[in-house]
Amino acid sequence: GEDVEQSLFLSVREGDSSVINCTYTDSSSTYLYWYKQEPGAGLQLLTYIFSNMDMKQDQRLTVLLNKKDKHLSLRIADTQTGDSAIYFCAEIPYGNNRLAFGKGNQVVVIP
Amino acid sequence: NAGVTQTPKFRVLKTGQSMTLLCAQDMNHEYMYWYRQDPGMGLRLIHYSVGEGTTAKGEVPDGYNVSRLKKQNFLLGLESAAPSQTSVYFCASSDRGDYGYTFGSGTRLTVV
Repeated sequence: GEDVEQSLFLSVREGDSSVINCTYTDSSSTYLYWYKQEPGAGLQLLTYIFSNMDMKQDQRLTVLLNKKDKHLSLRIADTQTGDSAIYFCAEIPYGNNRLAFGKGNQVVVIP
Repeated sequence: NAGVTQTPKFRVLKTGQSMTLLCAQDMNHEYMYWYRQDPGMGLRLIHYSVGEGTTAKGEVPDGYNVSRLKKQNFLLGLESAAPSQTSVYFCASSDRGDYGYTFGSGTRLTVV
């Protein structure tokens, strides 16, 4: 089955950029997603990228997709304390209709 | 506000007790899902439903049962709770299953 892998922890200073990486094994996914979970809260869809795109920029967020290497990354520019959260990448393999998550990456922003 | 509502938000159970978690959505979505979240494990799919009256097993279905008698509701049951079922449970719904998931705010369950 599909397997989404993420590194676990990232510490970044306020104002710096942070980059979160994710690898996945199922190349048939149509959309790839980034979700944000603030402490004690539910999941918030942060952004997504369609599989025929290499890059998507949305304000401070940049998503890069390397389909050849099955690698997805999320760059947060000018990281702020409100960006402290767990970030999950997720995919829906074609024909599967089930969202599969990575293990999550906790980002801690140091003032 | 339209969305996915989970009840209860918190619950403590003793080992062997049973309970039902309720998920309700008012968006007329066909697909509904139950996930559990454990530290370092991400979210894992327990069961899901592709329409009223249907259910299917996900990645970690053992110890849980589900029912989808009405399109707007998806119930998750624990017949005999175990400490290993201590977790945060999230419900989600989607219109087509391939896009646009809406998540509930979660139920924190502790089994002692």
